[in-house]
Amino acid sequence: AQKITQTQPGMFVQEKEAVTLDCTYDTSDPSYGLFWYKQPSSGEMIFLIYQGSYDQQNATEGRYSLNFQKARKSANLVISASQLGDSAMYFCAMREVGNQFYFGTGTSLTVIP
Amino acid sequence: NAGVTQTPKFQVLKTGQSMTLQCAQDMNHEYMSWYRQDPGMGLRLIHYSVGAGITDQGEVPNGYNVSRSTTEDFPLRLLSAAPSQTSVYFCASSYSRQPFYGYTFGSGTRLTVV
Repeated sequence: AQKITQTQPGMFVQEKEAVTLDCTYDTSDPSYGLFWYKQPSSGEMIFLIYQGSYDQQNATEGRYSLNFQKARKSANLVISASQLGDSAMYFCAMREVGNQFYFGTGTSLTVIP
Repeated sequence: NAGVTQTPKFQVLKTGQSMTLQCAQDMNHEYMSWYRQDPGMGLRLIHYSVGAGITDQGEVPNGYNVSRSTTEDFPLRLLSAAPSQTSVYFCASSYSRQPFYGYTFGSGTRLTVV
């Protein structure tokens, strides 16, 4: 079974609008971390946001927030007030205790002026 | 801090040639790994290391070797390059194996095998 599933290969959003990128995960461990990374066209991988499995509140970092629904095993990334510079590939990842990261296949986001 | 330094950024190899992709980090990170990124497939783990002298295979290890003689360095060796190894390669490091620590990525190496 896939550990991380991103079902949206491509997404479009109007500039200044909010967008949600979906991510579901599969684990039976009680302790795990969830991460989102951004990969612009220049190719580097940029860390955006982290959510721990024991965190009671949704993580936020500036315009990024993580909508964490533990029972549904989802960790959606919400980008508010989209900017042209948000156009990039976005990867969801999970890490279990003592294990490597599991990455999704990514969502390509295009922000339309 | 330099973070994670990968060299070279670009490389073209002929089929059958060997080469080493270099990766160095200056953050005293315990955990290091190599991924390859291919269109539509996300990042796939090649090899990883949980400390100096300790390495293990990931999802796609065939055709690659690694070693970790120091905490800082984690080179990836292509033994006999094949066109199927054309990809973008990322080195990444993490402070520990605990799930609370994220990766710091290198800038990537774009490898073409002709």
